[in-house]
Amino acid sequence: AQTVTQSQPEMSVQEAETVTLSCTYDTSESDYYLFWYKQPPSRQMILVIRQEAYKQQNATENRFSVNFQKAAKSFSLKISDSQLGDAAMYFCAQEGTGSNYQLIWGAGTKLIIKP
Amino acid sequence: GAGVSQTPSNKVTEKGKYVELRCDPISGHTALYWYRQSLGQGPEFLIYFQGTGAADDSGLPNDRFFAVRPEGSVSTLKIQRTERGDSAVYLCASSKTPGSSPLHFGNGTRLTVT
Repeated sequence: AQTVTQSQPEMSVQEAETVTLSCTYDTSESDYYLFWYKQPPSRQMILVIRQEAYKQQNATENRFSVNFQKAAKSFSLKISDSQLGDAAMYFCAQEGTGSNYQLIWGAGTKLIIKP
Repeated sequence: GAGVSQTPSNKVTEKGKYVELRCDPISGHTALYWYRQSLGQGPEFLIYFQGTGAADDSGLPNDRFFAVRPEGSVSTLKIQRTERGDSAVYLCASSKTPGSSPLHFGNGTRLTVT
């Protein structure tokens, strides 16, 4: 069965500093997508960044970047120049390329930004 | 236009009652998903619609849970004989096409069964 593990229940970072959130996953598929979602208190899941497993290059979106290690099944999120608005729960998720398209989610990491 | 809309935002019901949760996806999105998020956990897949049909309902926990999408737009998640363990946030998401397109989530419905 596919699993996604986030080993850090909570992380804190000083405003303007850099923080890395960890995620590991387990799948037997060779092609799949990986995601990081942000969930503020409004409960809405907001896509932060997406990585396609067949792409070697790490995805980046402005201050957000990933370190994708396919062999190690690791997918960490780096947030640079942390801002107060980045405070939220962050979830790592994996989607298989089978026909069901369901996402398998980690338990989340609560990110606290210290002013 | 508007994003994914879920109503009600919060629902409190007594054990044993029947509830309906509504999801109005983004116009033109053919794929619609329901997830359940228990306190302190990540979401769990419930059911996926492609158009009007349930393409995958393998995540529904038991036969008390049922979902429909009769016209390929609005979807309703129905829970019969609610139990305290059904208390969770129910998230709905839609996408233009299944698979590679990003999911757009609503704000969820927080269901509390007393």
